[in-house]
Amino acid sequence: GQQVMQIPQYQHVQEGEDFTTYCNSSTTLSNIQWYKQRPGGHPVFLIQLVKSGEVKKQKRLTFQFGEAKKNSSLHITATQTTDVGTYFCAGPMDSNYQLIWGAGTKLIIKP
Amino acid sequence: DGGITQSPKYLFRKEGQNVTLSCEQNLNHDAMYWYRQDPGQGLRLIYYSQIVNDFQKGDIAEGYSVSREKKESFPLTVTSAQKNPTAFYLCASGRALSYEQYFGPGTRLTVT
Repeated sequence: GQQVMQIPQYQHVQEGEDFTTYCNSSTTLSNIQWYKQRPGGHPVFLIQLVKSGEVKKQKRLTFQFGEAKKNSSLHITATQTTDVGTYFCAGPMDSNYQLIWGAGTKLIIKP
Repeated sequence: DGGITQSPKYLFRKEGQNVTLSCEQNLNHDAMYWYRQDPGQGLRLIYYSQIVNDFQKGDIAEGYSVSREKKESFPLTVTSAQKNPTAFYLCASGRALSYEQYFGPGTRLTVT
């Protein structure tokens, strides 16, 4: 069946360092979405990418959708403590409006 | 103030009891979803509903039941048949023909 793999599971960074999480789908996706979940909170929609090769920026966050529409990445430049949380990618199932979720990448800022 | 509400935030039950989690939205969204999240894990779909009076099983529906009698409401019942019910339960909603999902604050259920 369709799968969305996300790596790494955790990333420890010093504040000010960059962070990247990668998402790979077993099938071509019509779109991909990214969500952020703060510790103890609920997922919050960040962005949706639709076009092949699309790159979108939100301040220090850069989202990319691969040319083949099977992979995506989220890059955060110069991390801040407010970036702490788990970042999830999610892509639609072929046949309906369900989402298949990656397992998430937890961003941890080293003290 | 528009949004999705889930109540209660924390819920404690004894093993063998059924428990119903509330989810209400005033976003006028057609679709609603229930997910389960275990510590350090991703989201697993329990049930979803694209329209009133209709719902479908997700990946882990066993031991759960839902109803969708009103557009605004999608309650989830965790039955005594659910073997490991302790988890964080998240409700979400979305517009028709859209993949974006908007989440409620969640209910943390502990069964002892």
